[in-house]
Amino acid sequence: GNSVTQMEGPVTLSEEAFLTINCTYTATGYPSLFWYVQYPGEGLQLLLKATKADDKGSNKGFEATYRKETTSFHLEKGSVQVSDSAVYFCALSERDRDDKIIFGKGTRLHILP
Amino acid sequence: DSGVTQTPKHLITATGQRVTLRCSPRSGDLSVYWYQQSLDQGLQFLIQYYNGEERAKGNILERFSAQQFPDLHSELNLSSLELGDSALYFCASSYRVGYGYTFGSGTRLTVV
Repeated sequence: GNSVTQMEGPVTLSEEAFLTINCTYTATGYPSLFWYVQYPGEGLQLLLKATKADDKGSNKGFEATYRKETTSFHLEKGSVQVSDSAVYFCALSERDRDDKIIFGKGTRLHILP
Repeated sequence: DSGVTQTPKHLITATGQRVTLRCSPRSGDLSVYWYQQSLDQGLQFLIQYYNGEERAKGNILERFSAQQFPDLHSELNLSSLELGDSALYFCASSYRVGYGYTFGSGTRLTVV
């Protein structure tokens, strides 16, 4: 079945460090790919998305590129801030009739000042 | 405010009881999804409704049921509650296939 695997956390970085959170997926067909972010005590927010191969999603300094050949969608940011501390979820949707989204287990990110 | 409203925000109840969680989707969204988030299981898809009809079922227990009403709000009913049902329950809505969901802020259920 379809699945998403992302690096386990927690990931701890200093402010202004470079961030990479790895994500790979298994899917039939051509899924849409997403990164969601969950801040403490809140629901999930869509951070960025890509709907086809080689698309780059970007938002708030975060980027991820849809790599079909490696079935990956790694999240990157050049210079993290303390306010980026949150849990990040990689996810996919098969874009079929039910459009169910399958989430990875999440990666907790701690940014130290 | 995401536009998806969930009530109540917190719920504490005893084992064996029944509760109802409510979700109002974002204006214009026809699909509603329910997810359970627990520490050990991550985000688990429970069920989806589209314009009043059940469209997909995930790992939803028989003790749980849901429905979507003509005004598109949805309710998730949890009965014969067990300690292990303690979790965050999220509702999400979507307008278009493949473009992601908008999540509510969740209902934290504690079963004691």
